Amino acid sequence: QQQVKQSPQSLIVQKGGISIINCAYENTAFDYFPWYQQFPGKGPALLIAIRPDVSEKKEGRFTISFNKSAKQFSLHIMDSQPGDSATYFCAASMDSGGSQGNLIFGKGTKLSVKP
Amino acid sequence: DVKVTQSSRYLVKRTGEKVFLECVQDMDHENMFWYRQDPGLGLRLIYFSYDVKMKEKGDIPEGYSVSREKKERFSLILESASTNQTSMYLCAIRGGAGYEQYFGPGTRLTVT
Repeated sequence: QQQVKQSPQSLIVQKGGISIINCAYENTAFDYFPWYQQFPGKGPALLIAIRPDVSEKKEGRFTISFNKSAKQFSLHIMDSQPGDSATYFCAASMDSGGSQGNLIFGKGTKLSVKP
Repeated sequence: DVKVTQSSRYLVKRTGEKVFLECVQDMDHENMFWYRQDPGLGLRLIYFSYDVKMKEKGDIPEGYSVSREKKERFSLILESASTNQTSMYLCAIRGGAGYEQYFGPGTRLTVT
């Protein structure tokens, strides 16, 4: 119930294409869904986040789509660029119980954008 | 900008050694976390702390302990390092009303 399942493990996209990474969760108490971007040798950095009261959030070329009934959310990267090549992690959190907002992470997707 | 610093970027230790990894924040945030990151396993929570001298076990606390004597500093301790603790260790902080966590650059620990 605490898991967040992320797919695919790796993704290769041509420059200018759309990158799509998917995550699914079981626990309906989750109420915060962030995406993190990590470049080699660096710590993860918060990219974009959504709460379940909206179905989509867009920031520049990055969009989160959220489907509450299916318990799924996805990251779309439009016009993908070689500089987007990184590992992406989805996560989920809930403000209840002893966890007090601890993030549950997916296992990550390594994105390579080919020039 | 949120700043989270970790004492070392790379560390090589021998089996059985006691290892200290330090994390320091400059944001006066209450919540601090230690994760380890391994290929194909994502980020796994080792320990976290909501306040000075307070600690809670995460998902994989075995073989680790922590110390938080001051609000800005959270230390991860490997009492007797083993080869299966070779990993990337990440510190994170969270504060305020949101759930956002901010990560340090990580320490890549190799135990030989």
